[in-house]
Amino acid sequence: AQSVTQPDIHITVSEGASLELRCNYSYGATPYLFWYVQSPGQGLQLLLKYFSGDTLVQGIKGFEAEFKRSQSSFNLRKPSVHWSDAAEYFCAVGEYGNKLVFGAGTILRVKS
Amino acid sequence: NAGVTQTPKFRVLKTGQSMTLLCAQDMNHEYMYWYRQDPGMGLRLIHYSVGEGTTAKGEVPDGYNVSRLKKQNFLLGLESAAPSQTSVYFCASSYSLLSSWNTGELFFGEGSRLTVL
Repeated sequence: AQSVTQPDIHITVSEGASLELRCNYSYGATPYLFWYVQSPGQGLQLLLKYFSGDTLVQGIKGFEAEFKRSQSSFNLRKPSVHWSDAAEYFCAVGEYGNKLVFGAGTILRVKS
Repeated sequence: NAGVTQTPKFRVLKTGQSMTLLCAQDMNHEYMYWYRQDPGMGLRLIHYSVGEGTTAKGEVPDGYNVSRLKKQNFLLGLESAAPSQTSVYFCASSYSLLSSWNTGELFFGEGSRLTVL
């Protein structure tokens, strides 16, 4: 069965520090991979996506993610976190011709 | 540029009452979805539609019904609300499912918070 795991429910980082949010998936074929962000009281906004080509993808707001097939991972990174990055982040995975499956989400808190 | 609009944004119901959530999109998308979001469980798909006049069950369809009479609208109904249906509901739309020519990006509404007492 398809599954997406975000191992960290909450993460707290200091403003200016680097960030890595983990995402692992279980799929048989080459997946389509997404990261969405949800600010408080808002809907989800797409940060970045991967479905082929270069395994390091750049997104909005200075985020990037790297697809590692051998580890079944698609971790989200940012070199320097800003207070406005505090939000909930969702990893989502899908297969060709199918719908997305979302992880449980990781809540990011930023300390000033 | 409205995108996906959900109404109402907040609602409190008593157990056994009925209600309908309305989702409207102005992007001419074929596919529409209703998700519920609960703490620690991410987004779970309730029902979805692949075009006007069609609906299909998702991961957690029990207790909900949907209709897609017009391409731009997707309604989610609760016939007899239960406390377990207290949640935040999100509507989303996409141009297509995941394919080699379209990544099936979902566009979300801002959510509807429902409390069932």
